[in-house]
Amino acid sequence: AQSVTQLGSHVSVSEGALVLLRCNYSSSVPPYLFWYVQYPNQGLQLLLKYTSAATLVKGINGFEAEFKKSETSFHLTKPSAHMSDAAEYFCAVSDPYGNKLVFGAGTILRVKS
Amino acid sequence: GAGVSQSPRYKVAKRGQDVALRCDPISGHVSLFWYQQALGQGPEFLTYFQNEAQLDKSGLPSDRFFAERPEGSVSTLKIQRTQQEDSAVYLCASSLAEGAGLGIYPEAFFGQGTRLTVV
Repeated sequence: AQSVTQLGSHVSVSEGALVLLRCNYSSSVPPYLFWYVQYPNQGLQLLLKYTSAATLVKGINGFEAEFKKSETSFHLTKPSAHMSDAAEYFCAVSDPYGNKLVFGAGTILRVKS
Repeated sequence: GAGVSQSPRYKVAKRGQDVALRCDPISGHVSLFWYQQALGQGPEFLTYFQNEAQLDKSGLPSDRFFAERPEGSVSTLKIQRTQQEDSAVYLCASSLAEGAGLGIYPEAFFGQGTRLTVV
C-alpha cells in the first residue's frame, strides 16, 4: 500500500522568499513521486516527477524536489517565491506501472507582497 | 482537442437523481482514470481503464457508481440515486501507458473536472 502525508495544509511566504512544501511517503515498492499544482477552477498540472533516475528533480516554473529514501521524503522547493505561485500543491505517489496515483491532502501556498 | 476534456463543467443534481459525467481523453491515450476530489481534500482514485477494459474499480465508493469506456476512447462516469456525500469535483486523466513498468513513466494529463453539487 502507498500513502502520502503533506505537512501543513497552508503555507504563507513573502514574495522573494524560499518556498518549502513538505511531503513524506510510504510505499512497499520503489515509488514514483510527483508534485502537481492546481490553480482555482483548473485541472492538475504536473510540476515535476521522480522516476528512479536523478534524486534531485527540476520542474517547471523554477521548482525542484529532492528524493531522500532514508527520510522517505520528497519536499518541494523554490528559491524565490512569485505571486503567481499562489495555488494548491499536491504530492502524489505511484507504483512503476502508473496504474493509479495516491495523493496527499494538498498544501495551499499563499504569497504575500 | 489538445487536452483532456470533461463535461459538463458544473452539475447540480437533486438528491436521488442520476447523473452522467463525460470524459474525452487525449487522442491515442490508452489509459484513463477517474478521481474524486472532495472539498479541501486531495484527489482519490476511483477507477482505471486500459482501452475498453476496466482493470481496477477498487476506488468506487458504492454500487451506485458505474464507469464505462465502451470503445476505448470516451468514458462516462454514472452515479445513480445521488446523495449529498457525492458532492465533489470528479477528475478524469489519461495517459499513453507505453513503457509502463520499464522506467518510462506514463504521465497522466488531467482535465479541469466536473463539479457536482447534490442538493
